[in-house]
Amino acid sequence: RKEVEQDPGPFNVPEGATVAFNCTYSNSASQSFFWYRQDCRKEPKLLMSVYSSGNEDGRFTAQLNRASQYISLLIRDSKLSDSATYLCVALTGGGNKLTFGTGTQLKVEL
Amino acid sequence: NAGVTQTPKFQVLKTGQSMTLQCAQDMNHNSMYWYRQDPGMGLRLIYYSASEGTTDKGEVPNGYNVSRLNKREFSLRLESAAPSQTSVYFCASMTGTGTNEQFFGPGTRLTVL
Repeated sequence: RKEVEQDPGPFNVPEGATVAFNCTYSNSASQSFFWYRQDCRKEPKLLMSVYSSGNEDGRFTAQLNRASQYISLLIRDSKLSDSATYLCVALTGGGNKLTFGTGTQLKVEL
Repeated sequence: NAGVTQTPKFQVLKTGQSMTLQCAQDMNHNSMYWYRQDPGMGLRLIYYSASEGTTDKGEVPNGYNVSRLNKREFSLRLESAAPSQTSVYFCASMTGTGTNEQFFGPGTRLTVL
């Protein structure tokens, strides 16, 4: 079983839609969590960190449920420019290593 | 401030050839990482260096060696390339304290024939 699991998608949504991605992790010792965004053939870039209390950055909301070992990302009012692969990431290994999920592909269409 | 740089951007090797992928960062980060990314497999950690002078194996270290030359530079060497090493290789760095955000280089696309 992969340490961080995501639905690979693709999620095809119309512009303006709300879309949610989920992710589960198996290592209960994981300390912190993140969502990274990766555009086609480019390097991953940090989208946002995920906190137990939940956090919001504009149209993006991330949530962590430690009891269920579950992380979510909600994107409201989707834009064409949101089309990308979203990687769920856990910090492990004493704070030195990031473990990446395989990513969820989002395609926002007109 | 260039961030994380990698060379080369593209490389084609024949089976059995050797090569070194170079990575440098100018953000004074303590930790550096090498990943490979394959379709359907996501990013997998090959080796990492938590601080200058230390290196550790990641998830898929076989067939690779690394050198943390100094705080800025972390190289990845393929001694005898195999077709299974065809992949996109990313180098990354992280402060090692504080935000735990990893910054990635643009990647090296390697094909082994």
